[in-house]
Amino acid sequence: DAGVTQSPTHLIKTRGQQVTLRCSPKSGHDTVSWYQQALGQGPQFIFQYYEEEERQRGNFPDRFSGHQFPNYSSELNVNALLLGDSALYLCASSLNYQGAYGNQPQHFGDGTRLSIL
Amino acid sequence: AQSVTQLDSHVSVSEGTPVLLRCNYSSSYSPSLFWYVQHPNKGLQLLLKYTSAATLVKGINGFEAEFKKSETSFHLTKPSAHMSDAAEYFCVVSGRGSNTGKLIFGQGTTLQVKP
Repeated sequence: DAGVTQSPTHLIKTRGQQVTLRCSPKSGHDTVSWYQQALGQGPQFIFQYYEEEERQRGNFPDRFSGHQFPNYSSELNVNALLLGDSALYLCASSLNYQGAYGNQPQHFGDGTRLSIL
Repeated sequence: AQSVTQLDSHVSVSEGTPVLLRCNYSSSYSPSLFWYVQHPNKGLQLLLKYTSAATLVKGINGFEAEFKKSETSFHLTKPSAHMSDAAEYFCVVSGRGSNTGKLIFGQGTTLQVKP
């Protein structure tokens, strides 16, 4: 039973570029969340997708956008990259966030390490 | 709003001695609380969860946590530390109301285990 998988594992970009990160949820999960973890910090919630729609969003600018596909996989897009976007980007999946009112634990992938030069 | 505060940024123990990682929470709702562990260059692994059932929660790898409403605490313990326990630990509360779906993380506690 595959867990949450993310690609790529590492990425180097320069300021102003755009990047797309990908996530496949754990088998049986239908909800995908994205988090940004800066060095030495706890993860910060970016947004969550369920039924191919953004259901919840954290305090991140519109440069951060996402998508969920019919097979529940998801992409995170970041435009106009800044040095401060350098971080570990974590994808987490869970089951039916609304029905569970947050009681369902989220399962995390190993993340994509994004470095901005 | 919900929040968690991890009271120690760094804890150092000797192998074979008990581990205590402290966490206080704030929530106007009945909270769902989690502890996650993160080993270097890896994602987050769920250790245990509290969702208003038993107040003493047992998790993986010998860890357990006790929910104390009167103290708004959810401390993580283990009777005997192992070298493989060295990692970053996060106390997490699940968002409710307008924050439903979000996990809200503490700042993390680095656990060092000395031989």
